[in-house]
Amino acid sequence: DAGITQSPRHKVTETGTPVTLRCHQTENHRYMYWYRQDPGHGLRLIHYSYGVKDTDKGEVSDGYSVSRSKTEDFLLTLESATSSQTSVYFCAISEYRDVEQFFGPGTRLTVL
Amino acid sequence: DAKTTQPPSMDCAEGRAANLPCNHSTISGNEYVYWYRQIHSQGPQYIIHGLKNNETNEMASLIITEDRKSSTLILPHATLRDTAVYYCIVSPQGGSEKLVFGKGTKLTVNP
Repeated sequence: DAGITQSPRHKVTETGTPVTLRCHQTENHRYMYWYRQDPGHGLRLIHYSYGVKDTDKGEVSDGYSVSRSKTEDFLLTLESATSSQTSVYFCAISEYRDVEQFFGPGTRLTVL
Repeated sequence: DAKTTQPPSMDCAEGRAANLPCNHSTISGNEYVYWYRQIHSQGPQYIIHGLKNNETNEMASLIITEDRKSSTLILPHATLRDTAVYYCIVSPQGGSEKLVFGKGTKLTVNP
């Protein structure tokens, strides 16, 4: 299995609080992704990174920001969490710009 | 929008081969067929992909018809741990970072 970890694995927070999710990889892959998965919506891309300090928006980026200061870490921040951001968040990596991606175990976030 | 059609559910007996079909009649010449699966509560798992030749790896085999309008993922000896939702997607290799899953096929492997 690809070396991808996500932290925390579970988090409960309150509306309006900031939240940061971390994705860490040991594969030295160039591309990293953040997705959210919700019933009825499937998997949706939030942001992705194609190198250190290089990021771009996905289809549901509003309310989220990302940072990548090192190859191995990709952070997803919810500046002010809302209940609509309750979801399961998956990080993925790929060596090239491709849909052949390897996923982390996910973070279940609940915003009350 | 997903460009593939899969049956919503299938059953398979443990130890038997599971054959999961996928229709992709509008596939373009530069698009590959990719298969993923998602076991309950886990992250999606890449299985295999191919262009036009049959492919095999340690997890599965992928059979693509000569006209490339359909394909079949074969799990040669299904186990209970293969119970999952299986997704077939088409995409140009290296052409997109956007992974779009359709509804997939829920495969249940029965003892």
